[in-house]
Amino acid sequence: GQSLEQPSEVTAVEGAIVQINCTYQTSGFYGLSWYQQHDGGAPTFLSYNALDGLEETGRFSSFLSRSDSYGYLLLQELQMKDSASYFCAVRDRGGANNLFFGTGTRLTVIP
Amino acid sequence: DTAVSQTPKYLVTQMGNDKSIKCEQNLGHDTMYWYKQDSKKFLKIMFSYNNKELIINETVPNRFSPKSPDKAHLNLHINSLELGDSAVYFCASSLRGGPYEQYFGPGTRLTVT
Repeated sequence: GQSLEQPSEVTAVEGAIVQINCTYQTSGFYGLSWYQQHDGGAPTFLSYNALDGLEETGRFSSFLSRSDSYGYLLLQELQMKDSASYFCAVRDRGGANNLFFGTGTRLTVIP
Repeated sequence: DTAVSQTPKYLVTQMGNDKSIKCEQNLGHDTMYWYKQDSKKFLKIMFSYNNKELIINETVPNRFSPKSPDKAHLNLHINSLELGDSAVYFCASSLRGGPYEQYFGPGTRLTVT
């Protein structure tokens, strides 16, 4: 089976940096994705890591360590609009792209 | 232009009824998915489907069945609805060979009374 753990809640100040961790246990592993979901909205893609290391996309960066079964999402220069839920998700097989999602982290950005 | 659309947005029905949710994507993707998000916001894959392969999450009851009339559509049919089926259902699509970004529809909130 698949198991992904994330902190349930994180609070950070506007303009600061926050890191959301994800540890996973899966029968197969092909990559780790991050999705953002605002209340009442749909998940939207942020990043995908298949190999170890850091991927940077604007204010967001994502890191993966396959040997540690661990990844994180780093959000810099936090803005109020970043308040949302953030999910890590594992792609566990090569043929299909089924995603197994973590429990989600609720990020609240305060002034 | 909406990339992935779902209808209806809200669905309220009684236990025991049969209902369908429709999904369409205009992105030219070859793979479509259904996810269920429960009241605790846990997102769970139900199915993935392309013209070659249907993958069913083993925990999905056989009351749920995907139906794909063509590559751009993947509908979800649910028989004998139960209270526990109340959730938000998301359709998504992507390209099988990558990139592995999935595009989600706006969701359908199903309430079973």
